[in-house]
Amino acid sequence: AQKVTQAQTEISVVEKEDVTLDCVYETRDTTYYLFWYKQPPSGELVFLIRRNSFDEQNEISGRYSWNFQKSTSSFNFTITASQVVDSAVYFCARSGSARQLTFGSGTQLTVLP
Amino acid sequence: GAVVSQHPSWVICKSGTSVKIECRSLDFQATTMFWYRQFPKQSLMLMATSNEGSKATYEQGVEKDKFLINHASLTLSTLTVTSAHPEDSSFYICSPGGSGGVAYNEQFFGPGTRLTVL
Repeated sequence: AQKVTQAQTEISVVEKEDVTLDCVYETRDTTYYLFWYKQPPSGELVFLIRRNSFDEQNEISGRYSWNFQKSTSSFNFTITASQVVDSAVYFCARSGSARQLTFGSGTQLTVLP
Repeated sequence: GAVVSQHPSWVICKSGTSVKIECRSLDFQATTMFWYRQFPKQSLMLMATSNEGSKATYEQGVEKDKFLINHASLTLSTLTVTSAHPEDSSFYICSPGGSGGVAYNEQFFGPGTRLTVL
């Protein structure tokens, strides 16, 4: 199986700190897509980003930024100046030619006031 | 983006009963529907993939006779948990896939259905 690994099970930070969530993936596909989702306590998945395998350009969206390193098969997610509302479980996922998503185990982020 | 609804949003049932979960793709023709399951404190795992008008394909370890999937139209797919038991208690989420490119609309998910079997 082509796994997605999120080694950090839980992270706690104090508000306004920066935090990076790690994601390492395995793939045999030439073309693939990487995703990040946020899952608040309500359970509904909130889409954050999709990146295709040919685009290694880093992306910034407000306080969120993503670092895609194909050489190390990593797709890390950084939240700058974290806020209490950022507290949630964050999932990294990939999809290949088969189109369904393979999820990492998730990272529980707690931002303390 | 695609709007996906699920009904019910939560259900509590007695052991041995059957529960039907509906997933509707409101503004998108879903030729494929992915069904995921999430146990408490765990990740989402793909259970099965349904294709409109044909039989679903199930992931290893998922009993096809227990989790009946019907995908009769491009806007509706249903998952029926037959003879539910407490170990089936989980969060069930659908995700429509289209006939477009590899990642077309893959990022959209339904709001989920929380099933609790007593």
